[in-house]
Amino acid sequence: GAVVSQHPSWVICKSGTSVKIECRSLDFQATTMFWYRQFPKQSLMLMATSNEGSKATYEQGVEKDKFLINHASLTLSTLTVTSAHPEDSSFYICSARERETQYFGPGTRLLVL
Amino acid sequence: AQSVTQLGSHVSVSEGALVLLRCNYSSSVPPYLFWYVQYPNQGLQLLLKYTSAATLVKGINGFEAEFKKSETSFHLTKPSAHMSDAAEYFCAVSEGDTNAGKSTFGDGTTLTVKP
Repeated sequence: GAVVSQHPSWVICKSGTSVKIECRSLDFQATTMFWYRQFPKQSLMLMATSNEGSKATYEQGVEKDKFLINHASLTLSTLTVTSAHPEDSSFYICSARERETQYFGPGTRLLVL
Repeated sequence: AQSVTQLGSHVSVSEGALVLLRCNYSSSVPPYLFWYVQYPNQGLQLLLKYTSAATLVKGINGFEAEFKKSETSFHLTKPSAHMSDAAEYFCAVSEGDTNAGKSTFGDGTTLTVKP
């Protein structure tokens, strides 16, 4: 089946630094990828839709200048959390769309100190 | 517009018992429906999907779900629960190519399996 990877799986950083998370579709090409945030014991909250070769579409309330998304190729999307603060600590999950189905990465746990 | 309601945030069954996780949806177009499972600190794994073919869909790990348009439901079942089935389960709906294929997820159901 379709496989999506994320890197890193864990990251701890100091407040004010930026963190980049990569999402790769390993065995298929994805023109559309999605970035989600998940708080403990809660469902997934869609942050943005990443489109290859064009600007990402952000959901209402998500700061595009804080969460920078780049989808430079058909197999790679990146999410950069700029000037991270403790409230940005969360579990970030990406997915890549193949036809009608989203396939999810394993997630990245971000802890901002 | 689309939405998903998962009835019951927690379901507990005994090992070997029937598993039934409920999902109701709303969609302005014929929907695609999905069930995902999430284990702690992991991403979501696709269990099964409905994409307008057979209404009874079989997935991995012995799970299946039936699409009932009249009831706007897509409940997930498994005849006999295993301890390894304990996890968080999410139902999701998308409207295909409409809206870039974005999915809307339910709030999730935590399945506990008692020995």
